[in-house]
Amino acid sequence: AQKITQTQPGMFVQEKEAVTLDCTYDTSDPSYGLFWYKQPSSGEMIFLIYQGSYDQQNATEGRYSLNFQKARKSANLVISASQLGDSAMYFCAMREALFRNSGNTPLVFGKGTRLSVIA
Amino acid sequence: NAGVTQTPKFQVLKTGQSMTLQCAQDMNHNSMYWYRQDPGMGLRLIYYSASEGTTDKGEVPNGYNVSRLNKREFSLRLESAAPSQTSVYFCASSVDDKGETQYFGPGTRLLVL
Repeated sequence: AQKITQTQPGMFVQEKEAVTLDCTYDTSDPSYGLFWYKQPSSGEMIFLIYQGSYDQQNATEGRYSLNFQKARKSANLVISASQLGDSAMYFCAMREALFRNSGNTPLVFGKGTRLSVIA
Repeated sequence: NAGVTQTPKFQVLKTGQSMTLQCAQDMNHNSMYWYRQDPGMGLRLIYYSASEGTTDKGEVPNGYNVSRLNKREFSLRLESAAPSQTSVYFCASSVDDKGETQYFGPGTRLLVL
């Protein structure tokens, strides 16, 4: 079963509007972290925002916020006031077992959502 | 700080040739990672190194070897390249293997003919 599911291969949003990119995850581990990365056409991976499973509040970073619904196992990224420069691929990722002392705890990525911002 | 650097940026190989992708970070991070990115597949972990002197297999390690040369450098070697290894390769690092954030290099585009 996929650990990270991003159901929207592509999204369009009007400039200055808000957009939500969906991400659902699958884990039985109580301690995990959720990440969003942006990949513009130039190819680099840019870290946007992080949410820990024990964090009480939803993470926010500037125009980015994470709508974390633990019971639903969803971690949707909300981008407010979209800009043309937000056009990119967006990847949701998860790391399990944050507080274990041993073992492999790699990042697992979803397949991404391509966001296109229209002027 | 340069962050995470990768060389080369682009490489074309013939089937059966070997090559080493280089990665270095100047953030004093303990953990380093190699991913490959294929269209429609997202990023998949090839190998990682939790700390200097250790390496572990990821999701897709076959056909690759790695060396954690020192704390700064983590190389990925293809001993006998195959067309299926055509991909974009990303190196990343984090403070430790439980660190909150991984920082990525610019990527290496590899084409195997």
